[in-house]
Amino acid sequence: DAGITQSPRHKVTETGTPVTLRCHQTENHRYMYWYRQDPGHGLRLIHYSYGVKDTDKGEVSDGYSVSRSKTEDFLLTLESATSSQTSVYFCAISTLEGSTPQHFGDGTRLSIL
Amino acid sequence: KQEVTQIPAALSVPEGENLVLNCSFTDSAIYNLQWFRQDPGKGLTSLLLIQSSQREQTSGRLNASLDKSSGRSTLYIAASQPGDSATYLCAVDAGNMLTFGGGTRLMVKP
Repeated sequence: DAGITQSPRHKVTETGTPVTLRCHQTENHRYMYWYRQDPGHGLRLIHYSYGVKDTDKGEVSDGYSVSRSKTEDFLLTLESATSSQTSVYFCAISTLEGSTPQHFGDGTRLSIL
Repeated sequence: KQEVTQIPAALSVPEGENLVLNCSFTDSAIYNLQWFRQDPGKGLTSLLLIQSSQREQTSGRLNASLDKSSGRSTLYIAASQPGDSATYLCAVDAGNMLTFGGGTRLMVKP
């Protein structure tokens, strides 16, 4: 068990509101990732982090920002949520030497009305 | 841009059958390939990871092969069980980003 906790697990909110999702790991792995999973699109990378305050964009980063002020926490923020951001969001970490994500959290189901 | 395709999209087999899931990718410049399992409402569980220099990996009843030059991987499941029912995803790593296939939804009937 890689000790990944995502919160909240479910959230319903309205268009235009800010939303922050949290990913917490119990160890000190360097690489952390945020993915979204949508029918017909599979899993796509939003942002990733390779250390405290070190982040980079993924394939679908528009409308999202991230922060990592502590090794164990990686936050994903939707500044002004839109209906197209309704999705299931997964956090992942790499426990390998290198950056391949291997362990995933149980996901956050986000609905934007 | 890397594209990953999984065939078939869905598969239903009786318990005890051996089965093969297929994964193909368009760019052979990969570091590794992973097979994951996803149960409904859950995250992904890594089953096998094959480095680009390897040809196959085995774990219990699972065997994954990799042919990088042809852009193909297979996941072989021996003596399938109802508990193997899940969605199986393959993903290739070309550097700081996994590209996933659409998955194969497997149902093993008792």
